[in-house]
Amino acid sequence: GENVEQHPSTLSVQEGDSAVIKCTYSDSASNYFPWYKQELGKRPQLIIDIRSNVGEKKDQRIAVTLNKTAKHFSLHITETQPEDSAVYFCAASSWAGTASKLTFGTGTRLQVTL
Amino acid sequence: KAGVTQTPRYLIKTRGQQVTLSCSPISGHRSVSWYQQTPGQGLQFLFEYFSETQRNKGNFPGRFSGRQFSNSRSEMNVSTLELGDSALYLCASSMTGGENSPLHFGNGTRLTVT
Repeated sequence: GENVEQHPSTLSVQEGDSAVIKCTYSDSASNYFPWYKQELGKRPQLIIDIRSNVGEKKDQRIAVTLNKTAKHFSLHITETQPEDSAVYFCAASSWAGTASKLTFGTGTRLQVTL
Repeated sequence: KAGVTQTPRYLIKTRGQQVTLSCSPISGHRSVSWYQQTPGQGLQFLFEYFSETQRNKGNFPGRFSGRQFSNSRSEMNVSTLELGDSALYLCASSMTGGENSPLHFGNGTRLTVT
């Protein structure tokens, strides 16, 4: 089955700096890669996603890049703010017929310091 | 539009007991998935239901089961509870569970087994 590895497990940056979180996946059939942000005690929230026919996607301060050949994808957050502090999860999925199943990475705890 | 609603928010059970968790998806969403979140294992896929049928299943023992009703509401049942079942159980819904249909998570049910 699919295996997703995520690095680093913790990341501390100063406010205004950029943060980069990297994930690799094992199943070449995976074609959908969402990123979720989970604040303490709250539900995971989808912040951005990318499909295998796209190499990069951007939404304001957040961008995601995908390298299908190398089977890795990354989340980039620019101009970080204290409210960006949370745990971020990457995930991978393949649309096998009509079914879907997300395999998550182990999460990155991002701390934005003043 | 109301989000994914999970009840109850907290549960405390004893080993050997059984428990039922409930999930009401976003209106119009027909796919409901369940995930277990623990500090050690992260987010792990349990199963997905669509139109009252289980479409996909993760690698959990048969003690974990679920069902979906005609109104798309879903329940998850865990029988013969073990200490290791203590976790946050997250329900997620999507329109179809297929491509172009991202998952939206509920706030979860925190289960503690003593």
